[in-house]
Amino acid sequence: SSELTQDPAVSVALGQTVRITCQGDSLRSYYASWYQQKPGQAPVLVIYDKNRRPSGIPDRFSGSRSGNTASLTITGAQAEDEADYYCDSRDSSGHHLVFGGGTKLTVL
Amino acid sequence: QVQLVESGGGVVQFGRSLRLSCTASGFTFSSYGMHWVRQAPGKGLEWVAMISFDGSSKYHADSVKGRFTISRDNSRNTLYLQMDSLRAEDTALYYCAKDGPSVTADYWGQGTLVTVSS
Repeated sequence: SSELTQDPAVSVALGQTVRITCQGDSLRSYYASWYQQKPGQAPVLVIYDKNRRPSGIPDRFSGSRSGNTASLTITGAQAEDEADYYCDSRDSSGHHLVFGGGTKLTVL
Repeated sequence: QVQLVESGGGVVQFGRSLRLSCTASGFTFSSYGMHWVRQAPGKGLEWVAMISFDGSSKYHADSVKGRFTISRDNSRNTLYLQMDSLRAEDTALYYCAKDGPSVTADYWGQGTLVTVSS
């Protein structure tokens, strides 16, 4: 299967820790990348490879993988983290990309 | 800094064609694969196509195969998406994105909107 499954919505209290998950067979072979998208803006890469952050991404964002499940963890969520989060990975061919359906994160 | 600027979107009638462009700067364009990714209004991200750094390999999603063609001109630092036989379901914001060695899409443009009308 080349699908990635995410929970549609997750909420977290301000300052608490939240985990957003992404499931799919391709994740057994490829690491997920994670993107943050705020309304009216383009996606921004926040985590890639095993657990790497692009320059400028706060260290409260981290990534992990276990079996066919990738996770994005935000430790000490801030109001500005409220956004849609998407995972993706390459499919079994290594050339096509597949995206998860996205998770809407609400910070309470 | 890396910049990707899409253009060419607009309102087009069902069954007609449109060509999108993405002009790149701030990195060695000819060294990286590139993607087109689209997002229908209120929906999630959908991968459309990918082209290798030198244009020798091209890959398209099943939903656009045979109708859309990705290409590039490394002398102009420009990526293209030729879209033919457009359908209502092709209405979306189209983003170009840069591929990387250990990341799928590390930089994205701001997108260009394509609206297919009947």
